[in-house]
Amino acid sequence: GEDVEQSLFLSVREGDSSVINCTYTDSSSTYLYWYKQEPGAGLQLLTYIFSNMDMKQDQRLTVLLNKKDKHLSLRIADTQTGDSAIYFCAEHTGGGNKLTFGTGTQLKVEL
Amino acid sequence: NAGVTQTPKFQVLKTGQSMTLQCAQDMNHEYMSWYRQDPGMGLRLIHYSVGAGITDQGEVPNGYNVSRSTTEDFPLRLLSAAPSQTSVYFCASTSGGIESTDTQYFGPGTRLTVL
Repeated sequence: GEDVEQSLFLSVREGDSSVINCTYTDSSSTYLYWYKQEPGAGLQLLTYIFSNMDMKQDQRLTVLLNKKDKHLSLRIADTQTGDSAIYFCAEHTGGGNKLTFGTGTQLKVEL
Repeated sequence: NAGVTQTPKFQVLKTGQSMTLQCAQDMNHEYMSWYRQDPGMGLRLIHYSVGAGITDQGEVPNGYNVSRSTTEDFPLRLLSAAPSQTSVYFCASTSGGIESTDTQYFGPGTRLTVL
């Protein structure tokens, strides 16, 4: 089966940039996603990238994809306390819109 | 639209009891899924459905049953609860197909504890 790996914790100061990394194993994945989960809530789609792209920018979010190394990253510029959450990367791995999720990275933003 | 709703929000069961976790969506989505979330393991797919009357197994289906008699509802049944099924359960739906980037909408979750 496919494994999607992330580091469990990241702590940054407010105003700094955050970089959350993800390593996936299924080279046939067509789309890769970043989801955000706030405490006690479900997951919200933040952004996604198609596998033939290297980079995608969406306001404060920048997604970088290195297909050769199967490495995905999410950069959050000017990190705010409201960005504190768990961030999941996910890859599209099959029919029916099946997603394989990473373990999640808990981002803590300190003042 | 209410989006994806789940009931109950919290549940405590004794080992061996059965129960049904409810999930409903009012967006006319064809695709619905059940995930469980455990610390340090992300979300794992239990069962999914690509339309009314069609269900299939995900990564961790054992101990769970699903049915999809209508487009709106996708209940998850625990046949005989075990402590290993203590988890947070999320239902999700999307209108997308195999190559779609349509958003998966997640419900708020059901926190289940099995004693």
